[in-house]
Amino acid sequence: NAGVTQTPKFQVLKTGQSMTLQCAQDMNHNSMYWYRQDPGMGLRLIYYSASEGTTDKGEVPNGYNVSRLNKREFSLRLESAAPSQTSVYFCASSVMGGAYEQYFGPGTRLTVT
Amino acid sequence: DQQVKQNSPSLSVQEGRISILNCDYTNSMFDYFLWYKKYPAEGPTFLISISSIKDKNEDGRFTVFLNKSAKHLSLHIVPSQPGDSAVYFCAASLRDDKIIFGKGTRLHILP
Repeated sequence: NAGVTQTPKFQVLKTGQSMTLQCAQDMNHNSMYWYRQDPGMGLRLIYYSASEGTTDKGEVPNGYNVSRLNKREFSLRLESAAPSQTSVYFCASSVMGGAYEQYFGPGTRLTVT
Repeated sequence: DQQVKQNSPSLSVQEGRISILNCDYTNSMFDYFLWYKKYPAEGPTFLISISSIKDKNEDGRFTVFLNKSAKHLSLHIVPSQPGDSAVYFCAASLRDDKIIFGKGTRLHILP
């Protein structure tokens, strides 16, 4: 039982390049989330998916797109990376949204130069 | 505008003593509050939660207190142990699909 897995762990991009961050969970959870963590800013929600087939914007969605591929997988895409997107990205999942405990992946450290 | 505020970026406490981490919120409609703990280079892990209809919830060394009139909650860790050194995030839910996190407080347990 791996919980929440994220790939890659580290990535360096040049400005304008694109990439997709992958996330998968094996806990049969309905809800999945993408956060970014910046120094002094806490965890900010980028996008979330309350259930398979639905996605919604969070607090900081600009510059990102997501796909809920199936119940297990939720990917985050940067179409044209910018230095402001340098951050640590966390994927999380929960049985349902809101008050239910979220389980986090180990994170992806992204640097955009 | 920050809806969940952790005004102390860091806190140092002697091992064995009580650690008290504070959190304030602005939205009286929040119905659930959660605390997460984060070690460096790892994802956050859930610690403890409390419903807005309660004023206290206890789990071993961890107790969360909720003061709705003051829109304030606190996490007490007794006794503090070296492994408690981490960043602690307060979070709140509006019973929709997402939660809002505070900026975190870094707790240092001193030997």
